[in-house]
Amino acid sequence: QSVLTQPPSVSGAPGQRVTISCTGSSSNIGADYDVHWYQQLPGTAPKLLIYGHTNRPSGVPDRFSGSKSGTSASLAITGLQAEDEADYYCQSYDSSVSGWVFGGGTKLTVL
Amino acid sequence: QVQFVQSGAEVRKPGASVKVSCKASGYIFSRHALHWVRQAPGQGLEWMGWINVDSGNTKYSQKLQGRVTFTRDKSASTAYMEMSSLRSEDTAVYFCARVGGVGELMDWGQGTLVTVSS
Repeated sequence: QSVLTQPPSVSGAPGQRVTISCTGSSSNIGADYDVHWYQQLPGTAPKLLIYGHTNRPSGVPDRFSGSKSGTSASLAITGLQAEDEADYYCQSYDSSVSGWVFGGGTKLTVL
Repeated sequence: QVQFVQSGAEVRKPGASVKVSCKASGYIFSRHALHWVRQAPGQGLEWMGWINVDSGNTKYSQKLQGRVTFTRDKSASTAYMEMSSLRSEDTAVYFCARVGGVGELMDWGQGTLVTVSS
């Protein structure tokens, strides 16, 4: 059981918008620890997609955006493309375990 | 550009130990802590802990505390992860990653597959 909860899978057609949720608690997201998002293509290392809830590293398209509200965070992807098909993970810090925690991951399928 | 090159795949028997290296380049090695993350086959990411590269101080996940050790060689810009008393459940790809200003893992190594099998 992951400390941060994500849906196992989401899907959308090319051009559509999808969102991936990340639900935490008062010891992580709700305690205002930063939330970060990673994209992992098959057989590769994760890549930082969003940091500090809403910020994109250089080179990440603005089709990707992050938000946070209360004890949850979300990743939105607009204008879906086939190359977006990947696993997505949220990550934060949790004071109850005194460490970094990841969500269980969400597999995005582009129909 | 920032790059991490990890050591090659390893196969160990249950009860053995393994040491994985992570060589950094493209930035001042001692300025960023390094985290270790593992991923079992078909599973999600699991945080293992981190090392303050400058001081050598470490923090381990509660689950792995006592079986894992992080070290670094600043002169070689290389970090190491050693795990002992290996079990089949430790079969995974092990990643090193550099941490940024707000706790994000900004750059990752390519991963090292460790297989534990009798």
